[in-house]
Amino acid sequence: NAGVMQNPRHLVRRRGQEARLRCSPMKGHSHVYWYRQLPEEGLKFMVYLQKENIIDESGMPKERFSAEFPKEGPSILRIQQVVRGDSAAYFCASSRSWTGGLYEQYFGPGTRLTVT
Amino acid sequence: AQKITQTQPGMFVQEKEAVTLDCTYDTSDPSYGLFWYKQPSSGEMIFLIYQGSYDQQNATEGRYSLNFQKARKSANLVISASQLGDSAMYFCAMRVSGGGADGLTFGKGTHLIIQP
Repeated sequence: NAGVMQNPRHLVRRRGQEARLRCSPMKGHSHVYWYRQLPEEGLKFMVYLQKENIIDESGMPKERFSAEFPKEGPSILRIQQVVRGDSAAYFCASSRSWTGGLYEQYFGPGTRLTVT
Repeated sequence: AQKITQTQPGMFVQEKEAVTLDCTYDTSDPSYGLFWYKQPSSGEMIFLIYQGSYDQQNATEGRYSLNFQKARKSANLVISASQLGDSAMYFCAMRVSGGGADGLTFGKGTHLIIQP
């Protein structure tokens, strides 16, 4: 039973390039969350998605960042025109269908983005 | 808004001793869940234990237990009989129930080092 998959595990981009991070949730999970972890800090919530819907993007920077979770395929976090401050670990998590319960979120291994 | 406070940036503990990692939280929502995650040096986030705000008993999972004191708004993690493999960062997190269904709010973490 595969867990949450993220790729790539490590990504190096030059300033101004685009970064695309992919996340496949656990089987049977339809809710996806993206978090960012800066060095020496805890994780910060960015966005919560269901298939074809962004439910909560209150933690997303207003510019350059976008996320999607299409009907088919993985969820994508896209960062345009990356800057050095975007260097961080980006984690994806998934959970079961939310029916009012507070189910645990299972995390992927993360993508370490380095902007040079 | 929710807030998680972990006041111990780092802890050194002798192998086989019990460990208590502190966590206090703040929320005005009556329905919420509290989570603990472990992040070893390899970087992945491992779910350890969950406590619901309406749960009557403290949660336990193997060597992990959660000392939930609702009136004090604390949710300390207790690790019994610590092992060298317990050395890692530990994060306390919270999520509230309700319309937004947004992501987890994390504390800054405690770096636990188990010494032989």
